[in-house]
Amino acid sequence: DVKVTQSSRYLVKRTGEKVFLECVQDMDHENMFWYRQDPGLGLRLIYFSYDVKMKEKGDIPEGYSVSREKKERFSLILESASTNQTSMYLCASSFRLEAGELFFGEGSRLTVL
Amino acid sequence: GQNIDQPTEMTATEGAIVQINCTYQTSGFNGLFWYQQHAGEAPTFLSYNVLDGLEEKGRFSSFLSRSKGYSYLLLKELQMKDSASYLCAGMDSNYQLIWGAGTKLIIKP
Repeated sequence: DVKVTQSSRYLVKRTGEKVFLECVQDMDHENMFWYRQDPGLGLRLIYFSYDVKMKEKGDIPEGYSVSREKKERFSLILESASTNQTSMYLCASSFRLEAGELFFGEGSRLTVL
Repeated sequence: GQNIDQPTEMTATEGAIVQINCTYQTSGFNGLFWYQQHAGEAPTFLSYNVLDGLEEKGRFSSFLSRSKGYSYLLLKELQMKDSASYLCAGMDSNYQLIWGAGTKLIIKP
């Protein structure tokens, strides 16, 4: 069974703290994605990676960075968390970009106070 | 600009049929996708259409009209477990998914 695992389901951080969200997939997928999901809005792409050490900005990269040192792991970093980054963060992976079938993790709900 | 529109919420009765509509506008088009997301869970892939017509998968079917920029997801013989949000997403020329806000489907006994 395919599996995308996100390190934390729930996090509470203070404004200005550094936040790491980790994602691991066991499907040997080339592509990995970070989205945020907010009520009333569609999923918004933050960053994606199509290979180790490669990254591309999505629609809302400001305030975020990513790291992909190994094929199976894709990390999202908030250098200095702000309250407007309170959200649900979803990691996903796919075998082929054009296939469109994404496999999602369970999500990490981040609250920034 | 790129845009996906779908109704915010729909209510249907157990055992009935429901159709969730989606209109899309993308820069280029490489397919239309439907995902299901139960509350508090990850979205899961349901269907994919790239050519006009109906794709059937058990109780679920998805339809696409490229000329009208329109798709629908049809759910038959509704069950309580079908209560979920249904996300419509169009794939643009760069193979990126553009997502709608999702339709929350409420099934009543």
